[in-house]
Amino acid sequence: KNQVEQSPQSLIILEGKNCTLQCNYTVSPFSNLRWYKQDTGRGPVSLTIMTFSENTKSNGRYTATLDADTKQSSLHITASQLSDSASYICVVSARTSGTYKYIFGTGTRLKVLA
Amino acid sequence: DGGITQSPKYLFRKEGQNVTLSCEQNLNHDAMYWYRQDPGQGLRLIYYSQIVNDFQKGDIAEGYSVSREKKESFPLTVTSAQKNPTAFYLCASSMTEYEQYFGPGTRLTVT
Repeated sequence: KNQVEQSPQSLIILEGKNCTLQCNYTVSPFSNLRWYKQDTGRGPVSLTIMTFSENTKSNGRYTATLDADTKQSSLHITASQLSDSASYICVVSARTSGTYKYIFGTGTRLKVLA
Repeated sequence: DGGITQSPKYLFRKEGQNVTLSCEQNLNHDAMYWYRQDPGQGLRLIYYSQIVNDFQKGDIAEGYSVSREKKESFPLTVTSAQKNPTAFYLCASSMTEYEQYFGPGTRLTVT
């Protein structure tokens, strides 16, 4: 069964600190993995996308890693800011018979405190 | 939110009434999607369309209907047959499997 699991469910950190969010997946055949940031009551916004051959991708203070062998990804946030408070969603795409399917994780809710 | 608009942002309806949520995109994307988001759950696919005048059911299509008469528009109707319609609804579009852009969402409350 195609599945994406994220941990932790929620996280509270102090402003300026770093944090790492985890995403484990059992999706086949794997096409790509994306991380989204979703502010409360808003639509998700893409942070990074990685294909099978990529193992790291950065977007400002956000760095995503991918280990296709262990089927794990992480999102590292450096020097957190209050505006980083949001839900972070991991999405894995699977391609079968010319079509593709997106499998969403349940997200990690991050709260950054002053 | 890219070039995808959803309206209205908040919608209130009485139980038993059908309601239509609007989704428009100006990105010239072929594919469009409707998702439902509930607290503590991942996004669940309701319907998707890869070309005009064609659409397929997603994982939770019961109680919903869509149309795709124009490339730019993909309205979703929540019918009275949907047992738990209160949720946050997200529309998305994509040109390839490597990108998917989401709209700002519509929060539907049915009482």
